[in-house]
Amino acid sequence: QVQLQESGPGLVKPSQTLSLTCTVSGGSISSGDYYWSWIRQPPGKGLEWIGYISYSGHTYYNPSLKSRVTISGDTSRKQFSLKLSSVTAADTAVYYCARGLIVAVPAPMVWFDPWGQGTLVTVSS
Amino acid sequence: SNVLTQPPSVSVAPGKTATITCGGNNIGSKGVHWYQQRPGQAPVVVIYYDSDRSSGIPERFAGSKSGNTATLTISRVEAGDEADYHCQVWDASVDHPVVFGGGTKLIVL
Repeated sequence: QVQLQESGPGLVKPSQTLSLTCTVSGGSISSGDYYWSWIRQPPGKGLEWIGYISYSGHTYYNPSLKSRVTISGDTSRKQFSLKLSSVTAADTAVYYCARGLIVAVPAPMVWFDPWGQGTLVTVSS
Repeated sequence: SNVLTQPPSVSVAPGKTATITCGGNNIGSKGVHWYQQRPGQAPVVVIYYDSDRSSGIPERFAGSKSGNTATLTISRVEAGDEADYHCQVWDASVDHPVVFGGGTKLIVL
């Protein structure tokens, strides 16, 4: 059974870079048709997709965050990471990593299962 | 870009049926997925591809879709069903392929 766990600092200063790592247990990030994803949720608000890295290393980002986001993977460590630069208070959120399952038939679709427990990152001086 | 519209909240008495809707352009041609998020917890997929129940999810949870509206129906609602419910689609035709609805808080009276 695949499990995901986020780790990283819970407090980041404005203008600095937020860095989080997701460790995958029970599976590999380089096998299977999956999009290893980051999703965030500001306090009291809805879910926002940040981006993903595919099993083959291809990345895709939310256009609204693209200029500040980098997602990378380390297959040997079974980890994938998120870097978000130039953070502001608006980036304060619970950050989740999740596995996106890719289905091509009968129509292209992706849903997320499982999710990590989430980690709260606060941007404040 | 695709926008998914959900009611902010739905209230239901225990034992009754709750209906949560998710509307959006062209979702009739896309798979709709539903997540349950209990307070302080991560989301869990309950329904994927419109109406398939995820492993371990009670039969009381059912998904359906008609036209551009998807519906999550929870029968015989229990206190433990109180949570936020989010719908989600994948739209590969746009530059923002992962779209979530705003979420609906299910209140069990």
